[in-house]
Amino acid sequence: GENVEQHPSTLSVQEGDSAVIKCTYSDSASNYFPWYKQELGKRPQLIIDIRSNVGEKKDQRIAVTLNKTAKHFSLHITETQPEDSAVYFCAASRNQGGKLIFGQGTELSVKP
Amino acid sequence: DVKVTQSSRYLVKRTGEKVFLECVQDMDHENMFWYRQDPGLGLRLIYFSYDVKMKEKGDIPEGYSVSREKKERFSLILESASTNQTSMYLCASSLATGGGGGYTFGSGTRLTVV
Repeated sequence: GENVEQHPSTLSVQEGDSAVIKCTYSDSASNYFPWYKQELGKRPQLIIDIRSNVGEKKDQRIAVTLNKTAKHFSLHITETQPEDSAVYFCAASRNQGGKLIFGQGTELSVKP
Repeated sequence: DVKVTQSSRYLVKRTGEKVFLECVQDMDHENMFWYRQDPGLGLRLIYFSYDVKMKEKGDIPEGYSVSREKKERFSLILESASTNQTSMYLCASSLATGGGGGYTFGSGTRLTVV
């Protein structure tokens, strides 16, 4: 069935360093790839997404890259800050707004 | 702002009880979803609905059922609660398949089955 694998499960970086989280998906019909951030005790919030006709998308300090051939996409956070500490989830779907298959999550810790 | 409201933040139920988790959204979204969240497993899809009275199984439907009698309300039912259903349950909605925007999540219901 459809599957999304996410790595690493935990990531610890120093403030100001970059962080990279990687995901692979199995369904070749997937064409929408969002990333969600979940702070402790709060609901997941969409932070950035990318469609399959785009290879890279940036929004200030965060960027997502997509390699459709390899069925691989990544989240890049530059100049990390303590408030970036959270659990990050990648997901894949055939259609924006349709059912999402989520990765296992990455707990990012940014140390001051 | 779209709001997705889950009726309970914390719930404790006994093994064998029938449990209802309610989710209401207020922005006329077509699609609604139920996930459970467990550490190390991410969010796993239980059931979803793309229209009133329509439901489809997700990846882990066993032991659960759903009801969508009105567009704004999507209920998750645990027919006979078991301890392995202790989890955080998240409801989400989206405008429509192919529509703009992603999911909006509710605050979650932390269910403990004893």
